[in-house]
Amino acid sequence: SQQGEEDPQALSIQEGENATMNCSYKTSINNLQWYRQNSGRGLVHLILIRSNEREKHSGRLRVTLDTSKKSSSLLITASRAADTASYFCATDAGGAQKLVFGQGTRLTINP
Amino acid sequence: EAGVAQSPRYKIIEKRQSVAFWCNPISGHATLYWYQQILGQGPKLLIQFQNNGVVDDSQLPKDRFSAERLKGVDSTLKIQPAKLEDSAVYLCASSLGAGGAYEQYFGPGTRLTVT
Repeated sequence: SQQGEEDPQALSIQEGENATMNCSYKTSINNLQWYRQNSGRGLVHLILIRSNEREKHSGRLRVTLDTSKKSSSLLITASRAADTASYFCATDAGGAQKLVFGQGTRLTINP
Repeated sequence: EAGVAQSPRYKIIEKRQSVAFWCNPISGHATLYWYQQILGQGPKLLIQFQNNGVVDDSQLPKDRFSAERLKGVDSTLKIQPAKLEDSAVYLCASSLGAGGAYEQYFGPGTRLTVT
């Protein structure tokens, strides 16, 4: 079953620009996580944000969470070629003991 | 710290054949997951173990897929017989505990092609 929906499905920007990806979900959550997947590789955890948090930072990454709108956004500032990857949000719908992943946003950074 | 290990990395089989994947999680991680990722989609949870017990296998096609976690450490996922639609990347992940508050660590995956 689909819980998180990322938007846009694909995004192409120039190196140095900021990239923003959005995730919407249907059922209340306790936690939301963002993962990155480089081509042909496994997923790598980026940030975890709890339902009582509104914003978290990690290096060039900023994640916001709006539980009233059931949405989250991932902002990557000053993008680099190495940021080219697919980005997934994952949620624990209704406090489930598992994560449900969205379809992902494919981000391409052009030199 | 060693990461999650998976083997093989690639496998090509014909439909109706059987195949098995192996996963060694990070030492000390109680929770182990198998995901199926079809090209262009997000990972779909097939089965989740807590130590050597099954927590969730609601999306595992049990008529053809089986999985076990021996002694709460290594795990194998088997498909028998394989269908064309099983072509996907099979990802293994592990975490210290179950639930959304725990970061999951993923292996490199096994890319399965069924012809």
